[in-house]
Amino acid sequence: EAGVVQSPRYKIIEKKQPVAFWCNPISGHNTLYWYRQNLGQGPELLIRYENEEAVDDSQLPKDRFSAERLKGVDSTLKIQPAELGDSAVYLCASSSIAGGYTFGSGTRLTVV
Amino acid sequence: QQQVKQSPQSLIVQKGGISIINCAYENTAFDYFPWYQQFPGKGPALLIAIRPDVSEKKEGRFTISFNKSAKQFSLHIMDSQPGDSATYFCAASKGHTGTASKLTFGTGTRLQVTL
Repeated sequence: EAGVVQSPRYKIIEKKQPVAFWCNPISGHNTLYWYRQNLGQGPELLIRYENEEAVDDSQLPKDRFSAERLKGVDSTLKIQPAELGDSAVYLCASSSIAGGYTFGSGTRLTVV
Repeated sequence: QQQVKQSPQSLIVQKGGISIINCAYENTAFDYFPWYQQFPGKGPALLIAIRPDVSEKKEGRFTISFNKSAKQFSLHIMDSQPGDSATYFCAASKGHTGTASKLTFGTGTRLQVTL
């Protein structure tokens, strides 16, 4: 089992530029999560998908962040435009009804 | 509002010693309490979890103690090893298995096990 795959691993961009992160969940996991982990902090949920539907996006800054999960499998998280405060690790996780809440290794974003 | 408070922020333990990390929660609707281990450059990995209908759960060298009335739970690592050096996060969620639900994390404890 490949686990949750995220890309890229690292991204450095200038402020005001757009950036996108990609996540491929574990096969068969219908629930997908995006978390943000600031340095020295625990992860915080940004958005949760059940199949294609975003069922909890209350913590997603919708003025600049967007996400999609086409066909209920892969997902993309986008930031446009990026701000200095967006520097963090963006973690994707997936789970199924049977369990298996698994995190990917994350994308470390640095905004300069 | 920090719903899950974790202490200490960092911990240094000698090899063979006991590592103890504590967490307290506020939301009485939480009913699933996992601990995650995170190594540098990796995502958090589930270590052990407990539901509030039991007061203790043990898996190998790792034990969770749970005090429902005090709204506190702790992780004990027995016979700590250098390979246990990592950051540990407590978490809580509604939904007894934590699946298909939001995890609320503590701020983490950086554990260093020395020789």
